[in-house]
Amino acid sequence: ETGVTQSPTHLIKTRGQQVTLRCSSQSGHNTVSWYQQALGQGPQFIFQYYREEENGRGNFPPRFSGLQFPNYSSELNVNALELDDSALYLCASSLNQYQETQYFGPGTRLLVL
Amino acid sequence: GQSLEQPSEVTAVEGAIVQINCTYQTSGFYGLSWYQQHDGGAPTFLSYNALDGLEETGRFSSFLSRSDSYGYLLLQELQMKDSASYFCAANMDSNYQLIWGAGTKLIIKP
Repeated sequence: ETGVTQSPTHLIKTRGQQVTLRCSSQSGHNTVSWYQQALGQGPQFIFQYYREEENGRGNFPPRFSGLQFPNYSSELNVNALELDDSALYLCASSLNQYQETQYFGPGTRLLVL
Repeated sequence: GQSLEQPSEVTAVEGAIVQINCTYQTSGFYGLSWYQQHDGGAPTFLSYNALDGLEETGRFSSFLSRSDSYGYLLLQELQMKDSASYFCAANMDSNYQLIWGAGTKLIIKP
């Protein structure tokens, strides 16, 4: 059973650019959630994908968008990057959308200059 | 608004027992989760309570009281490797999101 993987591990972008982060879910999991974690804070829920559909969204603007593919892997896209987007982006997979148990990837650390 | 409150930092001695409290103010709540995160690492699932009462998993136990909007994580026989941040998170049934507390940094002294 493979765990959750994310790529890239680190990324540096400049303000206004666009970024795509990738996540492969754990085998057998059909739900992927994305989180933003600023330094010293708890993760903030961005959105959740269940069977290729977005079925839950936190308080993030539309420039944060995503996709889930038939193999349940997922992408997070952020357009028009702002300095405050600098954070650790975490992907978590779970067996269902109720997320009693989530399995997290190692994260992508994004720095926006 | 929806929020979870937990202490920012707790200090304990190796071998001791420590309790990390969490109070929540949410609508559409259906469960409380606990996660551990070491510095530079990803969160790791520890425990989940959907019903009132105590759930025990090895050295870790978690408790939930829905009537008091309160839960806690109990760590027994503390080891140095337990030094980490601990997060409570509320599972919501409205849009399937998980709302997280700000985390409690657990410092363990020998």
